[in-house]
Amino acid sequence: KAGVTQTPRYLIKTRGQQVTLSCSPISGHRSVSWYQQTPGQGLQFLFEYFSETQRNKGNFPGRFSGRQFSNSRSEMNVSTLELGDSALYLCASSLSGWGYTFGSGTRLTVV
Amino acid sequence: SQQGEEDPQALSIQEGENATMNCSYKTSINNLQWYRQNSGRGLVHLILIRSNEREKHSGRLRVTLDTSKKSSSLLITASRAADTASYFCATFPQGGSEKLVFGKGTKLTVNP
Repeated sequence: KAGVTQTPRYLIKTRGQQVTLSCSPISGHRSVSWYQQTPGQGLQFLFEYFSETQRNKGNFPGRFSGRQFSNSRSEMNVSTLELGDSALYLCASSLSGWGYTFGSGTRLTVV
Repeated sequence: SQQGEEDPQALSIQEGENATMNCSYKTSINNLQWYRQNSGRGLVHLILIRSNEREKHSGRLRVTLDTSKKSSSLLITASRAADTASYFCATFPQGGSEKLVFGKGTKLTVNP
């Protein structure tokens, strides 16, 4: 079966812009989680969606938002980009909430 | 915030040797998972050990869990150059917060 697909793979944006990242989970998986990975902070939890509802949220400012569609695909949006938002953004899907399958990530560079 | 802390932060060994990585965590857990990441790509799930299990094997991987010490170890036996990667432990805490909390990882280099 197909894995978790994240698009785009790479993105370069300028400060102040906004960006939308997409994640298609494994078919049948209803839970989608987003993580930000940076060299300094490591893997930080952003949010988790289950059946179109945000079930958990990490400690990120309101500029970070997300949503999940009825087909379980998820998007995350970052508005008013800052240099510190440069990171690898990882999406993971899960059937039971215990074993996660990660996508290859979107590498966002803010200049 | 990080729940787990891996030790060591970096490990360099020769092919054929065993690699041991340790993880400590802070709160009660439902399970603990180990993941591998190659060069800033996605994470690959390696193994999950439940809180009521003490040891688990998968191929060349052996994971132990000591809930009294809030610690886990990952042993990779007979390492190969292809095992070069960063390894992360992640805990699934008890108490209804359904999210994985990751440590900062151990960077393993296996020299041919």
